Amino acid sequence: QQQVKQSPQSLIVQKGGISIINCAYENTAFDYFPWYQQFPGKGPALLIAIRPDVSEKKEGRFTISFNKSAKQFSLHIMDSQPGDSATYFCAASMHHSSAAGNKLTFGGGTRVLVKP
Amino acid sequence: NAGVTQTPKFRILKIGQSMTLQCTQDMNHNYMYWYRQDPGMGLKLIYYSVGAGITDKGEVPNGYNVSRSTTEDFPLRLELAAPSQTSVYFCASSKGQGGNEQFFGPGTRLTVL
Repeated sequence: QQQVKQSPQSLIVQKGGISIINCAYENTAFDYFPWYQQFPGKGPALLIAIRPDVSEKKEGRFTISFNKSAKQFSLHIMDSQPGDSATYFCAASMHHSSAAGNKLTFGGGTRVLVKP
Repeated sequence: NAGVTQTPKFRILKIGQSMTLQCTQDMNHNYMYWYRQDPGMGLKLIYYSVGAGITDKGEVPNGYNVSRSTTEDFPLRLELAAPSQTSVYFCASSKGQGGNEQFFGPGTRLTVL
């Protein structure tokens, strides 16, 4: 019930291309879906997040698409740059429940390499 | 603001030894978390706390203990280190009610031999 499945495990894209990472969840009680970016040797940092009342959110070159009925969401990185090379994690939590402590359930991660 | 700080950065333990991983945040966040990240894997929640004096188990709590005596500090204790605890440990904090974003520390790389 708590799993978040992420694919692909790794991705190589040319500079200027589009990177697409997909996630699927099982627990319909999840109501907050963030994406975190992690560079080698660093802790993850929030990139962008979405709630299920919207189907898309865009921040600069990063877009989340959300499909509530399919229980899937995805991250699109437009015009990918070498500086985007990092590991990306999707996650989900039950924000509405304070007892749940806003705990995040993470996907397995996608290592993205953008070639110049 | 320093954000979330963790010490030590690296540590090698022998099987059966114990240690405490330190975590401090200076953002006055109510919620704090401990995760472990195994190579090529996502983060797994070990323990979390929604305030001083309140802690609860996450997904993988066995072999670990925590305490939260102050808002700022959330140490993680390993009592009898085992090779399966070789991992990178991340501490995180969030505002709590009204604030979802979790802020992560730089991590502690632990090897148990």
